[in-house]
Amino acid sequence: DAMVIQNPRYQVTQFGKPVTLSCSQTLNHNVMYWYQQKSSQAPKLLFHYYDKDFNNEADTPDNFQSRRPNTSFCFLDIRSPGLGDAAMYLCATSRAQGTQYFGPGTRLLVL
Amino acid sequence: AQKITQTQPGMFVQEKEAVTLDCTYDTSDPSYGLFWYKQPSSGEMIFLIYQGSYDQQNATEGRYSLNFQKARKSANLVISASQLGDSAMYFCAMRASNAGGTSYGKLTFGQGTILTVHP
Repeated sequence: DAMVIQNPRYQVTQFGKPVTLSCSQTLNHNVMYWYQQKSSQAPKLLFHYYDKDFNNEADTPDNFQSRRPNTSFCFLDIRSPGLGDAAMYLCATSRAQGTQYFGPGTRLLVL
Repeated sequence: AQKITQTQPGMFVQEKEAVTLDCTYDTSDPSYGLFWYKQPSSGEMIFLIYQGSYDQQNATEGRYSLNFQKARKSANLVISASQLGDSAMYFCAMRASNAGGTSYGKLTFGQGTILTVHP
């Protein structure tokens, strides 16, 4: 089945230690999104790629970076995680303006 | 600016009964899309149903239907014959029209409604 895959499902990191979350998709969608979701809140868009074009949300901290080496993969890099970065990170994909399909998410814990 | 409002923080329903989750929206765009997603405790956001602003008929997908009232700017989700597995957080979301750049495909989410289905 075509799907969006996120690894790992749970990630524990130390304060200030760089961490990378990965997302892959078999849907062949040209748009990939990264969201941050804190407990009992709506998802917050961090950035998205439309093909190779990177689009950063204005309020996304510089601490968050992303890479998309090819159509199928997209990575979220947190350069120096703080306690406030502990959250669920959701990857989604879509065709242009189409429906967004989400992966299972990665829960990040910062110690 | 776009805004989605879900006024019900929590809803309870008896198994096999129907339930309506409210969603109102505000936008100045003539063309937009409305979505409902389900998020169980596992965290995955599951797409349920979509309604386009120019669609003449209300969307339906199995036990899910969307009660779209354009003049009232509401897009309520109706779940028929509730099941225990329907217990989850439900998000209403709106997609901006194609204005290019960062608004391309961007979703605006409501704050969500937690649905609890009782046996």
